[in-house]
Order: sequence, then structure tokens, then C-alpha cells
Amino acid sequence: GAGVSQSPRYKVAKRGQDVALRCDPISGHVSLFWYQQALGQGPEFLTYFQNEAQLDKSGLPSDRFFAERPEGSVSTLKIQRTQQEDSAVYLCASSLNSDGNEQFFGPGTRLTVL
Amino acid sequence: RKEVEQDPGPFNVPEGATVAFNCTYSNSASQSFFWYRQDCRKEPKLLMSVYSSGNEDGRFTAQLNRASQYISLLIRDSKLSDSATYLCVVNPDDMRFGAGTRLTVKP
Repeated sequence: GAGVSQSPRYKVAKRGQDVALRCDPISGHVSLFWYQQALGQGPEFLTYFQNEAQLDKSGLPSDRFFAERPEGSVSTLKIQRTQQEDSAVYLCASSLNSDGNEQFFGPGTRLTVL
Repeated sequence: RKEVEQDPGPFNVPEGATVAFNCTYSNSASQSFFWYRQDCRKEPKLLMSVYSSGNEDGRFTAQLNRASQYISLLIRDSKLSDSATYLCVVNPDDMRFGAGTRLTVKP
């Protein structure tokens, strides 16, 4: 069955490089979330979409982080001028309803910034 | 203080043991509560929702104590396959994850 997919699975970037991470949610899911997970920590909320509307971006750590979901389906998380502290696993999750409960996670993108 | 706090463990228990995890939260307006399971280098997966009256799913029992602002997860008759990190999740208006409690079940 088609779950949440993310690409690339692994990304190595040089400091200062821009990266784009893609998330394909489960078809028909209204809500989409991005999380950042550092080693040994739980996922930290970054941002939330309901369809194409970005309703909450309070978790984005800096203005170098930008997310979009222009057609209410696929989402892209972009990180500009990457820094070493951006190294983490970036998880995308989708949920059928707008309440965001019962989220289904993708496998994540492991970003390493050298 | 973090919004959601868990004992990181690790909890090392023998097969067949009963083990319990607690998780405290700071936002009294929180409405939804969940336990997720995360295997090493894998994505989190929903284990169970936590209802006000408490709920049970096989060997797993979840409880909510609103007055003291904590939720708990009890695992009975532990299996080797229960070894994982258990993440507590609280939803006031967006999902807040705890750092996770690591469980290792040994033969």
C-alpha cells in the first residue's frame, strides 16, 4: 500500500549549500507535518499544513527554513545556507483529518551537513 | 522546562516482565494523547491513543491523569519484539513529542 514517502532518503550537503526535501503524503490526507529529529531525541515539530495552507510554522528554527505545499499534496521543505546544526533526520507525517491525530510517518530524510 | 517529559531509560527487562512508562506534560489545555513506537533508524508508528477513561489493547494499557498531567503506558508479558523507543505525544494544538523511553527486552 502507498504510505508516506520521502526523498531523498539520505542527503549530504556542504555547509552553505541549499537543500530541498520532498514529502509525498498518503493520498487524500488533509494534514501534513514536518518534524526534525536529532539523534537520541524525539521529533521536534517544525510546521503544519492543512491542504495547501500553512497553518503553523512556529517550529521552524530560522528564516533559512521554508516549507510549501502548493497543491495540497506534495510538500517540500527547503533549507537555505545549511549549517552543521541542521544535521538531523527530517520526518514528514500526514493525517487524514484536520485534527492531525493519528499521523502516519514517512521514512525520513537523513541530512548530514559537513 | 520541556512541554513533554519522559524518563529516557534505558529500561532493560527480561521477557515476560511487566514494565511501565510515565510521561508528564505542561500544557493543561492538551486534548489528545498518544503513544508512538519507534524502532532504531525507523519512523515512529502509532501504538495507541490514550483516552480519558484509560484503554487497553492486548498487552498494552494506557492511562491518562489530567489532574497530575501525566500519561502512562503499561506493557504486560514483555516480548523481545517490544524492544523499541516509546514516544509520548501530546496535542494541545500541534503534536509535541517527548524524547522517548528506550526499552530493551532480553531473553
